[in-house]
Amino acid sequence: GQSLEQPSEVTAVEGAIVQINCTYQTSGFYGLSWYQQHDGGAPTFLSYNALDGLEETGRFSSFLSRSDSYGYLLLQELQMKDSASYFCAVRDPQGSQGNLIFGKGTKLSVKP
Amino acid sequence: DAGVTQSPTHLIKTRGQQVTLRCSPKSGHDTVSWYQQALGQGPQFIFQYYEEEERQRGNFPDRFSGHQFPNYSSELNVNALLLGDSALYLCASSLPGGSSAGELFFGEGSRLTVL
Repeated sequence: GQSLEQPSEVTAVEGAIVQINCTYQTSGFYGLSWYQQHDGGAPTFLSYNALDGLEETGRFSSFLSRSDSYGYLLLQELQMKDSASYFCAVRDPQGSQGNLIFGKGTKLSVKP
Repeated sequence: DAGVTQSPTHLIKTRGQQVTLRCSPKSGHDTVSWYQQALGQGPQFIFQYYEEEERQRGNFPDRFSGHQFPNYSSELNVNALLLGDSALYLCASSLPGGSSAGELFFGEGSRLTVL
């Protein structure tokens, strides 16, 4: 079956850098996505890596190593508003786009 | 441009009852996927609708059913509610044919509590 592992909680201070890791096991792989979800809010798409390497979007970057079945989300210059849950996700290899398998999420708490 | 909208936002039901949740996808999107998110967990895929038909289904019993209308809006129906059905139900829409990044646009969800 398919599974994704990520830490349950991470705490950091404003202005710091934090890395959220994700390891995955899947019989077929299309790419690794990251979503952010504030309490009571909708998950919102952050990034997607299909190939090895680092993708940078503003303060957020995402990395993928297909050979290690591993990726991470890097958040720089942390702000209080970054406090949220972060989910890594892969497409179900038996399914189409829109059929994603999510990790259990990492709750990030940013302290002043 | 309105994003994905869902209704109702919150509802309380008792065991054995039936519930219908509604979703309007983002403008221009024709594919709707439904997810269940239990507290402290990631979303779990229920099913996907495209061209008014169920295209894929996750590991959910037949008590979960759905419908898509010609305007691409969708409904999720759950019959014979169980306590374990208490969760946030998320609707997600995507572009025709999907995007290369597989980006989904989620609504804020319907919070169902079963007593």
